[in-house]
Amino acid sequence: DSGVTQTPKHLITATGQRVTLRCSPRSGDLSVYWYQQSLDQGLQFLIQYYNGEERAKGNILERFSAQQFPDLHSELNLSSLELGDSALYFCASSHPSTSGSYNEQFFGPGTRLTVL
Amino acid sequence: SQQGEEDPQALSIQEGENATMNCSYKTSINNLQWYRQNSGRGLVHLILIRSNEREKHSGRLRVTLDTSKKSSSLLITASRAADTASYFCATAISSGSARQLTFGSGTQLTVLP
Repeated sequence: DSGVTQTPKHLITATGQRVTLRCSPRSGDLSVYWYQQSLDQGLQFLIQYYNGEERAKGNILERFSAQQFPDLHSELNLSSLELGDSALYFCASSHPSTSGSYNEQFFGPGTRLTVL
Repeated sequence: SQQGEEDPQALSIQEGENATMNCSYKTSINNLQWYRQNSGRGLVHLILIRSNEREKHSGRLRVTLDTSKKSSSLLITASRAADTASYFCATAISSGSARQLTFGSGTQLTVLP
């Protein structure tokens, strides 16, 4: 158990709909990352938040948005869903490094999204 | 786009044998990390090697890094059936204050009992 929790575990919805995925980082971790894993695209970085502020953006579609709340949990909002959005969505968290270097990331169990 | 590419894509070995997976990347890195993923589960961090290190060990894992060739290898010694999983390399790129990882396509390792 990594200490990172994600809800829900599974989500089945229809095209055009909007869903919200939730992530709670490990205690003490300030950074939250969202990743999408699909068979054709592999594991793609979407976005990073650090202590409530957006820090980096990857291959995140305009239909997707995220935020990190004062209690450090994060939500990933996916709207106008398409069949191709079906994937595993992972959240990860990491502890700030005093040296400024990169630390390991701790991954949650993921949310499996199926768009029908 | 993928920064790292793992080789081979799939590897099948007998229990007790060693497994070697390779990773190549394209740009300068801060560090390189290896992760393991059991089918449909979250990724688990295995080991991190910094750009100024050449080799690192952790239990049955040995990682090497050659920054001149932009490549890394992960060796799992005395493999066990429980090592069956997908293994990913991930590069941390020196880019301001961002801390995202870029993952390779993964190697599917099957260890036969």
